[in-house]
Amino acid sequence: DSGVTQTPKHLITATGQRVTLRCSPRSGDLSVYWYQQSLDQGLQFLIHYYNGEERAKGNILERFSAQQFPDLHSELNLSSLELGDSALYFCASSVDSGYYGYTFGSGTRLTVV
Amino acid sequence: AQSVTQPDIHITVSEGASLELRCNYSYGATPYLFWYVQSPGQGLQLLLKYFSGDTLVQGIKGFEAEFKRSQSSFNLRKPSVHWSDAAEYFCAVGATSGTYKYIFGTGTRLKVLA
Repeated sequence: DSGVTQTPKHLITATGQRVTLRCSPRSGDLSVYWYQQSLDQGLQFLIHYYNGEERAKGNILERFSAQQFPDLHSELNLSSLELGDSALYFCASSVDSGYYGYTFGSGTRLTVV
Repeated sequence: AQSVTQPDIHITVSEGASLELRCNYSYGATPYLFWYVQSPGQGLQLLLKYFSGDTLVQGIKGFEAEFKRSQSSFNLRKPSVHWSDAAEYFCAVGATSGTYKYIFGTGTRLKVLA
């Protein structure tokens, strides 16, 4: 157990739907990162939050949004889902800005049918 | 632009044999470099990292990596592979200029023959 908790582990939903993925960072970590892992794109950085504030955005679609709450857990919201959104979504956390490495959760596997 | 290349998509080695996984990066400044391992159904686990100083870094599970600036490489090595090392390995580069994200390579899948 890495200490980073992601729920749910698996999610199957239909096109056009909206889902929320949840991440609880390791105790003491202020930064949360979201990554998407797909066969064709590999690991792609989506977004980074530090202590509730957005710090950096990557290849995140406008249909996707995220937030980090006062208790430091984070949610990634995916809407108007398309088949191509099927992927493994990872959350990672770090104490600071992540220069020294992340701790990853075990991911949420999203399947859009 | 920053980039990471892992030229080998798949590598197969026999148990007990030595291993070297290649990683080449492109980055203008001094890079922070990482190797992560992903076992099936699991998240990524940090194996080792390089920031500065000694160019040979030791990690967990008996892995080491050598930073070669002249070759823009950060290859991962292990002298004797165990069957439990079968996994996917990712090299990543992080910026030193304030960007809070890493660029990952496409990964190398390691298969270990008994």
